[in-house]
Amino acid sequence: DAKTTQPPSMDCAEGRAANLPCNHSTISGNEYVYWYRQIHSQGPQYIIHGLKNNETNEMASLIITEDRKSSTLILPHATLRDTAVYYCIVRVAGWDSNYQLIWGAGTKLIIKP
Amino acid sequence: SAVISQKPSRDICQRGTSLTIQCQVDSQVTMMFWYRQQPGQSLTLIATANQGSEATYESGFVIDKFPISRPNLTFSTLTVSNMSPEDSSIYLCSARSSTVYGYTFGSGTRLTVV
Repeated sequence: DAKTTQPPSMDCAEGRAANLPCNHSTISGNEYVYWYRQIHSQGPQYIIHGLKNNETNEMASLIITEDRKSSTLILPHATLRDTAVYYCIVRVAGWDSNYQLIWGAGTKLIIKP
Repeated sequence: SAVISQKPSRDICQRGTSLTIQCQVDSQVTMMFWYRQQPGQSLTLIATANQGSEATYESGFVIDKFPISRPNLTFSTLTVSNMSPEDSSIYLCSARSSTVYGYTFGSGTRLTVV
């Protein structure tokens, strides 16, 4: 699976949009981009995933560049409860593939009042 | 998505003893996994728990140290054997359902070995 690069930490003001970047320059055509987050003392939580089109759900939006070498997770109106470590993972989907997720160091996002 | 109950949520154990962590999923799942997360670090996969057969271990993890059971499609256990202080960590159970793309995680077991 392709590796990802994320900034180790970011700050964002409460109520503003938090934009978390991720580089995955070696991504393959059949690899999806997944985002998870881990709030302190909890297990990781799935946020969103996408292949090449931008995606939006109730939690966040995922913007993937046209060349698929990078993506941005957007939390449109960050709250203090969004303070967490955010992990960007690229992964082959499909029931005949290896099911592992390879976890990088992630970005520690701190939302400030 | 599936909901995972993991217990105990935390424990303090004496070195040389063993601890068994239980993971119960509220629905049948195709894949279950065990991770370790050392303080301030990211997640490291220990093994994939296979239903009805031996677990598949990642490099650096062995069955004698981390025996795993998976008797059915909703339950798995991880035992941390002959513990030392270096085993102090958070241990996480995860599951993947065949109906959704996401992986669900338990809330973790915070283990301290003294």
